[in-house]
Amino acid sequence: EVQLVESGGGLVQPGGSLRLSCAASGFTFTDYEMNWVRQTPGKGLEWISYIYRTGSPIYYVESVWGRFTISRDNSQDSLYLQMNSLRVEDTGIYYCARGGSGGYRPHDSWGQGTVVIVSS
Amino acid sequence: DIQMTQSPSSLSASVGDRVTITCRASQGISNYLAWYQQKPGKAPHLLISGASTLQSGVPSRFSGSVSGTDFTLTITSLQPEDVSTYYCQHYHSAPFTFGPGTTVDIK
Repeated sequence: EVQLVESGGGLVQPGGSLRLSCAASGFTFTDYEMNWVRQTPGKGLEWISYIYRTGSPIYYVESVWGRFTISRDNSQDSLYLQMNSLRVEDTGIYYCARGGSGGYRPHDSWGQGTVVIVSS
Repeated sequence: DIQMTQSPSSLSASVGDRVTITCRASQGISNYLAWYQQKPGKAPHLLISGASTLQSGVPSRFSGSVSGTDFTLTITSLQPEDVSTYYCQHYHSAPFTFGPGTTVDIK
């Protein structure tokens, strides 16, 4: 069974940093591209970042460019999101989501999400 | 960047009704379109990929179609367990934008 388990969320002040982790199991992690998707309060879903199987290429949505960094450790079956210079509008639930195995594909498995609150 | 719009933003229908949700891409995305269902407090769940390919385990009352840059999700006979928010997403090229969502409830 595919499992994705996020951790690392919490309460942080504006301008602060957090590092999210996603532990993957039940599939061959190195065979799949991975993504981070967030859901902000009262709003819909926003795709924020993608990382290829080998770690490159990487893509971001413009609103997090230069502040967030996606990475993966294939030896640990883990995905990460380093979030710096956090803003109030970054508050939300952050999901890791499995992408494709060869070419762009939709997100067929999701974690339960980790909550990030940016507030003073 | 490719923008996705959805209509309606919400709808209320009776059990057994046929429900249609439309998603439009701002430019051509071929069939690189997915539909997700999200129930309150839960992560999204992939229903359809490739505009019309039903994922394993998804009830056959769900279907997807495409005409140019217009995509449609149809529920042929609405069931109480279908109360959810439905999102489209393109995966043609990054950023893989989601539509704003359509909330479906029972009348």
